[in-house]
Amino acid sequence: GAGVSQSPRYKVTKRGQDVALRCDPISGHVSLYWYRQALGQGPEFLTYFNYEAQQDKSGLPNDRFSAERPEGSISTLTIQRTEQRDSAMYRCASSLVPDLGSSYEQYFGPGTRLTVT
Amino acid sequence: GDSVTQMEGPVTLSEEAFLTINCTYTATGYPSLFWYVQYPGEGLQLLLKATKADDKGSNKGFEATYRKETTSFHLEKGSVQVSDSAVYFCALNGAGGSYIPTFGRGTSLIVHP
Repeated sequence: GAGVSQSPRYKVTKRGQDVALRCDPISGHVSLYWYRQALGQGPEFLTYFNYEAQQDKSGLPNDRFSAERPEGSISTLTIQRTEQRDSAMYRCASSLVPDLGSSYEQYFGPGTRLTVT
Repeated sequence: GDSVTQMEGPVTLSEEAFLTINCTYTATGYPSLFWYVQYPGEGLQLLLKATKADDKGSNKGFEATYRKETTSFHLEKGSVQVSDSAVYFCALNGAGGSYIPTFGRGTSLIVHP
């Protein structure tokens, strides 16, 4: 079956431009998470949704970052006025149910490598 | 806040050697613990998990035991293969009622024939 997909896989943009990163979770998965992963580091939480509701956005670095999941399926992470420090791998993960008891695994997408020049 | 500490890599082994990757954590409450594996060019995949103290997670010959007294979840495998070469991430979730996972920085494993 289809896993989590992300697009584009690679994005090069100039400083100051806006970018939109897309995540298509596994069909039927309720929870969707966004992470940022720097080289040599583990995934760093940004935000997550249950259905279309954004449950926590405490990991978003500043107000240039936003995310939405309007129909409870596909999600978009938008970065406005990009800066070089935004360059990283952005990963999306989905899980079947809200993480009650935290025993449910997350299924990760391949990521979008963002480079800001 | 919650944190996960993994041994630094890379860990370089010969095929059929014994593997240990250390992981310790700091968290409130009683989190669930996970090991994820990331092969080159792919996303993270769950390798194994344990949800309470003294539980042992196992998969594909890998094992890890949830040790509450030492706040550890070390990953072990008796005989590694070249195909095990990857980056391994220790993670926790559910500490203090939070649904936000915390990941370690990852440990690269390189297995030579």
